[in-house]
Amino acid sequence: DTAVSQTPKYLVTQMGNDKSIKCEQNLGHDTMYWYKQDSKKFLKIMFSYNNKELIINETVPNRFSPKSPDKAHLNLHINSLELGDSAVYFCASGKGLRDTEAFFGQGTRLTVV
Amino acid sequence: GENVEQHPSTLSVQEGDSAVIKCTYSDSASNYFPWYKQELGKGPQLIIDIRSNVGEKKDQRIAVTLNKTAKHFSLHITETQPEDSAVYFCAASPNTNAGKSTFGDGTTLTVKP
Repeated sequence: DTAVSQTPKYLVTQMGNDKSIKCEQNLGHDTMYWYKQDSKKFLKIMFSYNNKELIINETVPNRFSPKSPDKAHLNLHINSLELGDSAVYFCASGKGLRDTEAFFGQGTRLTVV
Repeated sequence: GENVEQHPSTLSVQEGDSAVIKCTYSDSASNYFPWYKQELGKGPQLIIDIRSNVGEKKDQRIAVTLNKTAKHFSLHITETQPEDSAVYFCAASPNTNAGKSTFGDGTTLTVKP
């Protein structure tokens, strides 16, 4: 069974479109995250949620809107996609907010053309 | 906020040699230091971690050392094998900033057979 699963794995779309990436974890964790990994492999946190509550929003543009319907799911919706949004987006989960391992999904490679 | 610097950015070793990756952090409140391995096309996966009340931790061929006074920690891989080739990330998690680990920029390790 996949612990943290995200869909789709690949996403190619045109500038200006709106797209969503879904994430689900079956580990029973309370905390979920979205990370962005750029072409240089730099890994930056975007959002973290704990029990469906937003904890961290790292100065991400308003075009990015996370939604957590329950603590097992954290979806990422992106409006008006731009070329610079092209990256690999990773969902992750953890047991709690502090001092714990993050379990990552396999990533979604988003290409905006 | 926390700043994590990781060196080197690329590292090439012969199979059987040792590899060392070093990280420094800025926030003295950081108390959790995980290391992640990211293989091609996959999400990062925890390989070892250390907490601030411990100076060294070892798990088979990998070890991590922590110097709280100097604010640096290192990953040591002995008897490297080609399957150790990957991107390695260090991270630091301050207990005063819930839910946020700051990642280093990554080290691409290549083990030549």
